[in-house]
Amino acid sequence: GESVGLHLPTLSVQEGDNSIINCAYSNSASDYFIWYKQESGKGPQFIIDIRSNMDKRQGQRVTVLLNKTVKHLSLQIAATQPGDSAVYFCAEGRYKAAGNKLTFGGGTRVLVKP
Amino acid sequence: GAVVSQHPSWVICKSGTSVKIECRSLDFQATTMFWYRQFPKQSLMLMATSNEGSKATYEQGVEKDKFLINHASLTLSTLTVTSAHPEDSSFYICSASPGWGNTDTQYFGPGTRLTVL
Repeated sequence: GESVGLHLPTLSVQEGDNSIINCAYSNSASDYFIWYKQESGKGPQFIIDIRSNMDKRQGQRVTVLLNKTVKHLSLQIAATQPGDSAVYFCAEGRYKAAGNKLTFGGGTRVLVKP
Repeated sequence: GAVVSQHPSWVICKSGTSVKIECRSLDFQATTMFWYRQFPKQSLMLMATSNEGSKATYEQGVEKDKFLINHASLTLSTLTVTSAHPEDSSFYICSASPGWGNTDTQYFGPGTRLTVL
């Protein structure tokens, strides 16, 4: 079936460097994509989302890029901090379809080294 | 804004007992709530979707008689794990969607750790 997947299960990054987390999706009908951050023992926390009619969106220290041609999504974290250490999930959804369900990727663990 | 709470945050129970988990949207009305389970080092797996006042829609492979979902109001949904067994031990997470804008973003609760002895 359709799925959202990630290339790198673990990403180690030096504090202060930029992080890039990648995600591949297979459902070309997806209307929007969301990045979530999950710290150990906690629920996912919304980071940023992007609609399919956009290719870039920026937030505070984060940028999401969407390449529909190759069905690729990325999350860039600028000046990575120790508090950014967590598991990051991408998710895709469709407007008012399939019960507004999200399909989650497998997750990437980001480890920030001091 | 968009805060979702869960209660309890963790629970330990004996095999064969039932456990109820509550999910509340604190500062918005949730037209739809979702229940997920997550095993260690794995992604979230959607169990069911519930809309206020109607029956929940379960994902394939999820036993509706074992995982009872009630969405009594626009701010409260409950998941009851009936006759729990050790294999039901997991991290259960709910989310709520306020239906703002077009993205139908889901906001997640902090999760409930269930351990069945």
